[in-house]
This record gives sequence, C-alpha cells and structure tokens, in this order.
Amino acid sequence: GAVVSQHPSWVICKSGTSVKIECRSLDFQATTMFWYRQFPKQSLMLMATSNEGSKATYEQGVEKDKFLINHASLTLSTLTVTSAHPEDSSFYICSARARTSNTGELFFGEGSRLTVL
Amino acid sequence: GQQLNQSPQSMFIQEGEDVSMNCTSSSIFNTWLWYKQDPGEGPVLLIALYKAGELTSNGRLTAQFGITRKDSFLNISASIPSDVGIYFCAGSSGTYKYIFGTGTRLKVLA
Repeated sequence: GAVVSQHPSWVICKSGTSVKIECRSLDFQATTMFWYRQFPKQSLMLMATSNEGSKATYEQGVEKDKFLINHASLTLSTLTVTSAHPEDSSFYICSARARTSNTGELFFGEGSRLTVL
Repeated sequence: GQQLNQSPQSMFIQEGEDVSMNCTSSSIFNTWLWYKQDPGEGPVLLIALYKAGELTSNGRLTAQFGITRKDSFLNISASIPSDVGIYFCAGSSGTYKYIFGTGTRLKVLA
C-alpha cells in the first residue's frame, strides 16, 4: 500500500504553546488528506478534510482557529494546534487518498501523540 | 461526531479459533474498509469493499459488504497471537470521508 508518514511521532509541550504536525505522502500525490483525533481506548474521530490549494473543511464542533490546517502541496499537509491546553492531549492521525486512485482506499500515517503539560 | 456501531466491543479467544465481528450503520455506504490498529500506531488497511454482497479475502481474513449496504462483517480464521489488536470498520457514502466504527478489541490466548 501507499506510504503516509507523520512527524513528529510524539511531542510534549507546555500549555499555551503551538505545535505543528506534518503529514506526508511519500510515494504518491494526495489531493485530499484527512485529520483524525483519537483519545485513549476510543475510535478515530474525523476533525477536518484538507484539500490541496484550498481551505480545509472542518467537522462540526472542531474549532478551525485552534486547529490550523495547511495543505500547500500534493504531498504535505500540516496540522497546527494553537495555544494548546491539556485537553488537547491526544493521538492525532492523518490519512491520505492518492490523486490518481479510483478506489476509496485511505492510507494512514503512524500517528502523532501530543501531550500538553 | 457520527460513529458506526461495531460489535463485539472486545473478545478473548483461544489461539486457533475463528473470530467474527460486524459493523452496522443507520446510513447506506458505498465503501467499507477494515483496519487493524496496534497500540501507539496508525491503522493499517486490511480489506476494502466496494460493492454490496462483495466477499473479499486477505489471507486468513475475509470481509463482506452487506446486501443492505448498512453493514459489514470481518472474519478471522485460525487466529494466532499476532492477531491481537483493535479492529475498526470504516464506511463512506462516496465522498471519501470515512466514519469509523467503535472498534473491536481482540485478545488471543495462546
């Protein structure tokens, strides 16, 4: 399957600081990437859809000003958690769909664990 | 956010036994995906289903797209210890935006 890589895999930050997480498609171009959040022992919850060259589409209840998404190229999307607080501590996972794919397969990154102190 | 109902929530089985789990939705889906997630890692795609009634295998795994398009099933035959993990179903109505199931936590007793 296609390879999606996230960086960093884990990060610890102080409350009030901002953290950027990168999601890269390594061997394919991704027009669309998706950002999910997963709390311990829970399922994946879609946060937003990241579209290359346009604004991200956020799910209901997700603050767009807090979770800034940028998809500046066909292989990179970034999620910035602004003014992070302890309740933002979670496992953030991105997924991507190949631009040339005519199937619905989504490939996921390894995830980024954010801990806000 | 919306989630799919997945059952069972967790299960302990003996090595060598077959495992079945299912996912149901109140909405019709065009695509079902099944993933396995190990602790601290991202989900890994196991099987993709695109057509109602479709039955697809991947090694010891077999998944089916329900006729009503509101459910899907995953079977694991002759389970082994490395099958331990959390299995998620995911459904999409055609927008490539997937809703995930609540997960089935599988534990295999050697």
